[in-house]
Amino acid sequence: QQQVKQSPQSLIVQKGGISIINCAYENTAFDYFPWYQQFPGKGPALLIAIRPDVSEKKEGRFTISFNKSAKQFSLHIMDSQPGDSATYFCAASIGDNYGQNFVFGPGTRLSVLP
Amino acid sequence: GAVVSQHPSRVICKSGTSVKIECRSLDFQATTMFWYRQFPKQSLMLMATSNEGSKATYEQGVEKDKFLINHASLTLSTLTVTSAHPEDSSFYICSASSRGNEQFFGPGTRLTVL
Repeated sequence: QQQVKQSPQSLIVQKGGISIINCAYENTAFDYFPWYQQFPGKGPALLIAIRPDVSEKKEGRFTISFNKSAKQFSLHIMDSQPGDSATYFCAASIGDNYGQNFVFGPGTRLSVLP
Repeated sequence: GAVVSQHPSRVICKSGTSVKIECRSLDFQATTMFWYRQFPKQSLMLMATSNEGSKATYEQGVEKDKFLINHASLTLSTLTVTSAHPEDSSFYICSASSRGNEQFFGPGTRLTVL
């Protein structure tokens, strides 16, 4: 019940295209859903995050869509660029003051072709 | 965003030796720090959670006597891998949290045990 599923495992997109990564969870107690971007040999960096009281959040080219009833959320990268090539992790947590109990998805390796 | 540093970024050691990895929050006070382990092409696996001034809480299957964690101040946590063996070779990442659910990740430390 603590698992977060993520698909696809890898994704190849042409420059300018839309990259879509999907995640699903079971634990309805999760109330914070961040996405992290990780480049090889680097630590993950917070990209964008959403809470279940909204269905969509957009920051620049990055959009999270959230479907509470389906227990699914997705990351959309518009106008994908070669610099977006990285591994993306979705995560879920049960909020408290200390940001504990993060559960990470297995990751999606995105390659954006020039 | 908040900055978390790790030192060293890369370490190679002989089997049987101990290695200490430092994690620092540079511009905020981290009440909680987390240590993760990441194998190649895999997701982050939480090893332990430490709150300043108290003993770390280890995840199931993580040997607390092998992976010693100290969180002596609000800006510093250390992970010591004792009597390291080749199977301990991995990418170790710390993160720090002080407000809400956000975790800020360090750049990671690549440990290679010969």
